[in-house]
Amino acid sequence: DAGVTQSPTHLIKTRGQQVTLRCSPKSGHDTVSWYQQALGQGPQFIFQYYEEEERQRGNFPDRFSGHQFPNYSSELNVNALLLGDSALYLCASSPTGTSGRNEQYFGPGTRLTVT
Amino acid sequence: AQRVTQPEKLLSVFKGAPVELKCNYSYSGSPELFWYVQYSRQRLQLLLRHISRESIKGFTADLNKGETSFHLKKPFAQEEDSAMYYCALRGYQKVTFGTGTKLQVIP
Repeated sequence: DAGVTQSPTHLIKTRGQQVTLRCSPKSGHDTVSWYQQALGQGPQFIFQYYEEEERQRGNFPDRFSGHQFPNYSSELNVNALLLGDSALYLCASSPTGTSGRNEQYFGPGTRLTVT
Repeated sequence: AQRVTQPEKLLSVFKGAPVELKCNYSYSGSPELFWYVQYSRQRLQLLLRHISRESIKGFTADLNKGETSFHLKKPFAQEEDSAMYYCALRGYQKVTFGTGTKLQVIP
């Protein structure tokens, strides 16, 4: 099991563009959470997906949206990119649904740079 | 609102010295507290959680509800402990992380 995988590893976009990041959860996990980690900061919760629905959301604008597929993989979409969206985007998966009491396993992240 | 504060960005200790990484939290309910660690060029991973009351790699952390703290401790630091440490709180079904403390163990 490769654990949580994310693609791409790095990405450079221009202001105003749109981006899609992808995440495949660890085998047996059905819940995916996305985090944004700016330089020098801790991860900030964006949202969580379970059963193909957004279950919880952090303080992020509607420009940030997501999707979960029947195979539990997930996408994070960001529209109208701003310079401030430059960060490491982390995906984490866990084996439970909304109770979320089990350990989260993190992916390596996607480094997004907006110029 | 839930908040996690790690007051130290960097903590340098000598090998064999005791380590204490501070974490304070703000949360109105009963929190779940965690410590995550990120070694150089590795992904973020769970170190320990308060409900397990376990010792991992010699580290322990006790939840002090009176002081709203969850400090991470180890009696004797090892060089391999050098890493970034994040305290995290799970409440209202979302996880809030602190800004992290870089632990540097000097040989």
